[in-house]
Amino acid sequence: GQQLNQSPQSMFIQEGEDVSMNCTSSSIFNTWLWYKQDPGEGPVLLIALYKAGELTSNGRLTAQFGITRKDSFLNISASIPSDVGIYFCAGQGSGSRLTFGEGTQLTVNP
Amino acid sequence: SAVISQKPSRDICQRGTSLTIQCQVDSQVTMMFWYRQQPGQSLTLIATANQGSEATYESGFVIDKFPISRPNLTFSTLTVSNMSPEDSSIYLCSGVVTEAFFGQGTRLTVV
Repeated sequence: GQQLNQSPQSMFIQEGEDVSMNCTSSSIFNTWLWYKQDPGEGPVLLIALYKAGELTSNGRLTAQFGITRKDSFLNISASIPSDVGIYFCAGQGSGSRLTFGEGTQLTVNP
Repeated sequence: SAVISQKPSRDICQRGTSLTIQCQVDSQVTMMFWYRQQPGQSLTLIATANQGSEATYESGFVIDKFPISRPNLTFSTLTVSNMSPEDSSIYLCSGVVTEAFFGQGTRLTVV
């Protein structure tokens, strides 16, 4: 099925650094979502974006819904070790069905 | 926010057998979905679980292989039928109120 193009695939950073990841799609989505998945767990919602151009923050996380509705980015500022995990973007289409990006594996070195 | 309890959390099954995975939400949700996640990969939608009617399957997934039930607004099951090693994966259910939230997943190994 269709998937979103998410980059980078993996990141290795030092604690305290900022992180940026993004997703692009050939299709328009009405809602963009960012999830974090820890090993052995289901994805947990971090941020939801509902309007083109919207910029939303949740603590150290900031995400934006691209103006074309075909892209989104997620920034994490001042990373900490517990930020380690896999981050997924997801576009929500008709019937609330989600299309997921390939994921970004984040490693934070203390 | 609502909580999804999914069980079993993991299982090891013999090929040719079937496994039913259960998903219970602690409040009513508008939609429920089932996803598959191969190790180290992203989530792929299997089907939409429709209350009181047949599930809607995505391309590449069929009812005979993945029968789904949703008898009410808070409960759904996914059966993985006639399993083969290629069915080894993580299966996740999801509920939607405004956004989608997930159960902890079922890690299935077929031997």
